[in-house]
Amino acid sequence: DAKTTQPPSMDCAEGRAANLPCNHSTISGNEYVYWYRQIHSQGPQYIIHGLKNNETNEMASLIITEDRKSSTLILPHATLRDTAVYYCIVRVANTGGFKTIFGAGTRLFVKA
Amino acid sequence: NAGVTQTPKFQVLKTGQSMTLQCAQDMNHNSMYWYRQDPGMGLRLIYYSASEGTTDKGEVPNGYNVSRLNKREFSLRLESAAPSQTSVYFCASSTGPRFDQPQHFGDGTRLSIL
Repeated sequence: DAKTTQPPSMDCAEGRAANLPCNHSTISGNEYVYWYRQIHSQGPQYIIHGLKNNETNEMASLIITEDRKSSTLILPHATLRDTAVYYCIVRVANTGGFKTIFGAGTRLFVKA
Repeated sequence: NAGVTQTPKFQVLKTGQSMTLQCAQDMNHNSMYWYRQDPGMGLRLIYYSASEGTTDKGEVPNGYNVSRLNKREFSLRLESAAPSQTSVYFCASSTGPRFDQPQHFGDGTRLSIL
């Protein structure tokens, strides 16, 4: 699995867009980019995933660069409840979740 | 819709005691997982069940056993608890074992072993 690099922490003002970067320069052609988050004292929560095209769902948007070496998770209107640790994971889709899947992540603080 | 329910939420044990952590999901998922989360270590997979009737070891299975009781329930047992097993334990489930089938997590069991 490709290694990912994320900043350890970021701040965002409530109501503004939160843009969380992830570098994955060694990503291979069949690896997807996944994002999960973990709010304090809760279990991790799936957010979104993509291969090469930009993706959007009710929670967030995922922007993947054309060379696929980096991506950005966008929370369009951050709220205080979005304060959490965000994990970027690069994996081949048809492999199982049968190993450690989370690293250190980015701790996002949304401030009023 | 409860999703993934874990019981208990908190537990304190003495070294050598045994205990079973319970997990149930109501999403009709085929695959279930047990992870432990320690500070700075991410989530590490203990055991998984790709489908009802099967269980397999993950990365850190020593000191644990599991039972896939039925499609809904997947329990984790500590036969003789050790202080090194102090951790937060998460159960998860997914439609199937592929990583692009997102995992849904419970809120964890916080276990302290003295």
